[in-house]
Amino acid sequence: GQSLEQPSEVTAVEGAIVQINCTYQTSGFYGLSWYQQHDGGAPTFLSYNALDGLEETGRFSSFLSRSDSYGYLLLQELQMKDSASYFCAADFSGGYQKVTFGTGTKLQVIP
Amino acid sequence: GAGVSQSPSNKVTEKGKDVELRCDPISGHTALYWYRQSLGQGLEFLIYFQGNSAPDKSGLPSDRFSAERTGGSVSTLTIQRTQQEDSAVYLCASSYSGRGGTDTQYFGPGTRLTVL
Repeated sequence: GQSLEQPSEVTAVEGAIVQINCTYQTSGFYGLSWYQQHDGGAPTFLSYNALDGLEETGRFSSFLSRSDSYGYLLLQELQMKDSASYFCAADFSGGYQKVTFGTGTKLQVIP
Repeated sequence: GAGVSQSPSNKVTEKGKDVELRCDPISGHTALYWYRQSLGQGLEFLIYFQGNSAPDKSGLPSDRFSAERTGGSVSTLTIQRTQQEDSAVYLCASSYSGRGGTDTQYFGPGTRLTVL
């Protein structure tokens, strides 16, 4: 089946940089999304990569390497409000199809 | 404009009862998704609608679960004869066209279901 793997927890210091990795199965892979979810809240979209390389949006960047079946979310200048769960999600067809979510990485930002 | 709304926000029910969860997607969004999230866990896909049809029902965990969408808009997820393991947050999302990851999903606030 289609699955994505992420670390379950990451802790980082305020002001630092943190990278959250995601590996996926390649069969039918089309693109990788990232979502943020604060405790008790709904997931919100952060970024999408269909092509190899880095996509930058403010303090957040997302990277994809199709040859390595791997992507990551990079958060710079960490703020306390960045403490949340981060999910990678893969589109395995590019067509009218569901998106499969990873199990999520809980990021804790400490002072 | 208004986002995705879900009702009720919280539902407590007794084991064996039926429950209905409602999702109002963003106006004009043709794709609608239902997910389930247990405490501290990831998102478990349940069902996907494109318009009124459900091309992918693969995530429904049992025949106690069903969903429908009428008029290409509102969707209802029904759980019959609820069990304690059904306790979770049920999230609904909609997107403009449903073209996979190229199409951002907008999530509702969820319905927290507790089965006693």
